Amino acid sequence: GQSLEQPSEVTAVEGAIVQINCTYQTSGFYGLSWYQQHDGGAPTFLSYNALDGLEETGRFSSFLSRSDSYGYLLLQELQMKDSASYFCAQSNQAGTALIFGKGTTLSVSS
Amino acid sequence: NAGVTQTPKFQVLKTGQSMTLQCAQDMNHNSMYWYRQDPGMGLRLIYYSASEGTTDKGEVPNGYNVSRLNKREFSLRLESAAPSQTSVYFCASSFQETQYFGPGTRLLVL
Repeated sequence: GQSLEQPSEVTAVEGAIVQINCTYQTSGFYGLSWYQQHDGGAPTFLSYNALDGLEETGRFSSFLSRSDSYGYLLLQELQMKDSASYFCAQSNQAGTALIFGKGTTLSVSS
Repeated sequence: NAGVTQTPKFQVLKTGQSMTLQCAQDMNHNSMYWYRQDPGMGLRLIYYSASEGTTDKGEVPNGYNVSRLNKREFSLRLESAAPSQTSVYFCASSFQETQYFGPGTRLLVL
């Protein structure tokens, strides 16, 4: 099946900026989403890109390059509460089921 | 507005037992999904329903059945549980490109 590649772990300090990369498979690609999941919790939607470029939502931004089959999530002004797992997810049609990456665990220290 | 609700929150089964996981959403969404999440594996799609009356297999459907009872409810049934089905099960519904997840059901099969 299709797979998305993202780093398994990232560490950073409070106030820093971190970028989580994701590469996806182009077959049938429609859009790339990002979800956040705290330990023991449910995934929550962060951002979505269907077109090339940057989408900004507060401290979080997401970028997509369709020509490179690549996207990233940028987290700025990191806070301790940002410690969580972050998943990129690919959709192959509008409004359909997602194919998730294995997740990146972000640890923010003081 | 409760969003997506799931019952039960926790369940322990013996191998061979059957059970149904319940999911309901009050957001009037057409599409609903069942995912399982295992350590280091991200979320994998079991079944989805694009609208009331339709269901389709996802990546890992073996050992499961689903019922889209009405627009609000989408249940997942394990007919004969196996230890390999020990996992956290998430139900979700979607509007456009955003998926909304329930709190999850933690299932242990002994």
